Amino acid sequence: DTGVSQDPRHKITKRGQNVTFRCDPISEHNRLYWYRQTLGQGPEFLTYFQNEAQLEKSRLLSDRFSAERPKGSFSTLEIQRTEQGDSAMYLCASSLDVSPLHFGNGTRLTVT
Amino acid sequence: KQEVTQIPAALSVPEGENLVLNCSFTDSAIYNLQWFRQDPGKGLTSLLLIQSSQREQTSGRLNASLDKSSGRSTLYIAASQPGDSATYLCAVDGATNKLIFGTGTLLAVQP
Repeated sequence: DTGVSQDPRHKITKRGQNVTFRCDPISEHNRLYWYRQTLGQGPEFLTYFQNEAQLEKSRLLSDRFSAERPKGSFSTLEIQRTEQGDSAMYLCASSLDVSPLHFGNGTRLTVT
Repeated sequence: KQEVTQIPAALSVPEGENLVLNCSFTDSAIYNLQWFRQDPGKGLTSLLLIQSSQREQTSGRLNASLDKSSGRSTLYIAASQPGDSATYLCAVDGATNKLIFGTGTLLAVQP
């Protein structure tokens, strides 16, 4: 069990650019979640997958955001035409069904 | 809509003190409640999970209680140490693992 891995740890981008983050869950976990955390706040749910199926998306996930989990293993979260308001920590978590979530260390995005 | 509140927002205590962190939630129809620890710039580490049918859970110096009917949970930390300094988050789960988090309590334990 190597834990949930996220890449990159930090990303600085200019407004208007596209960015993509990757999450590798714990290998036997079938569920994968994306959360966003802004400074001084708790994490907010964005979306989750059961295997390769995206089962729920938050209203926070605008049309500029897209998440995929093509083979039911790793997942990517892409943000198109980034805005300064997208600056946050993006956290990935995984679980086996409804077992407790295991979180990664997150990707910190700064949009200048 | 479920809302989770944590009080206090920040707490500073001398080493060795026992302390209590509070969490309240507005909708008692929860599946479980979890307490997490977050170190600066890091992800979340699960500390304790209490199922809705349980009243408390213990792990080492940590004890978490749950009163579903009143919408409250407490995290008790005994004999605090400087290494306990972190942000503590509580989160409730409505059985989808779509956790709803509070804003956290920033704890500083002074040596």
